[in-house]
Amino acid sequence: GQNIDQPTEMTATEGAIVQINCTYQTSGFNGLFWYQQHAGEAPTFLSYNVLDGLEEKGRFSSFLSRSKGYSYLLLKELQMKDSASYLCASMDSNYQLIWGAGTKLIIKP
Amino acid sequence: IAGITQAPTSQILAAGRRMTLRCTQDMRHNAMYWYRQDLGLGLRLIHYSNTAGTTGKGEVPDGYSVSRANTDDFPLTLASAVPSQTSVYFCASSPSGSGTDTQYFGPGTRLTVL
Repeated sequence: GQNIDQPTEMTATEGAIVQINCTYQTSGFNGLFWYQQHAGEAPTFLSYNVLDGLEEKGRFSSFLSRSKGYSYLLLKELQMKDSASYLCASMDSNYQLIWGAGTKLIIKP
Repeated sequence: IAGITQAPTSQILAAGRRMTLRCTQDMRHNAMYWYRQDLGLGLRLIHYSNTAGTTGKGEVPDGYSVSRANTDDFPLTLASAVPSQTSVYFCASSPSGSGTDTQYFGPGTRLTVL
């Protein structure tokens, strides 16, 4: 079956670094997406990885290991506005996105 | 209009009633999608359309129907609503119906079926 696992909730301190992990198992693989979703709002695109390695984009970085079926999202210099849910999604062989339930990130001052 | 719009923003509906959720995009994207989001679960694909005139079933299509008469609009219809269809519904679009395009989401419709 197809499955995406990520922690339900994480807490971090303003100014710190946090890593949100995601493991995936899908029928075929065409890349791994991360989206951010603030409470009551729509998901917005953060990153896409299809090759192994780290992709850096400002304060946010995303890592992929295809052999391990594993990705993480790294958020640096945390700000209060980073409090949100972070959704991991794997694109399967039919180019459909299979979504994890999301990780709710709570930032404390 | 900029991006994707959905209507209504929220709705309370009696069980057994028919309801159409509207979705319009102005980005000339070929592909459009309908998802539902429930607490503790990931987004689940209901129906999709890779291009105007074509539609396909997603993971949870039962009880829902869609049409794609033109590029911009992708309405979702609940023929006879049931309480298990209480959810937040998101419409999304992407430039092409194949490949690894980013999907862009509308603001969502919060539907409660009593």
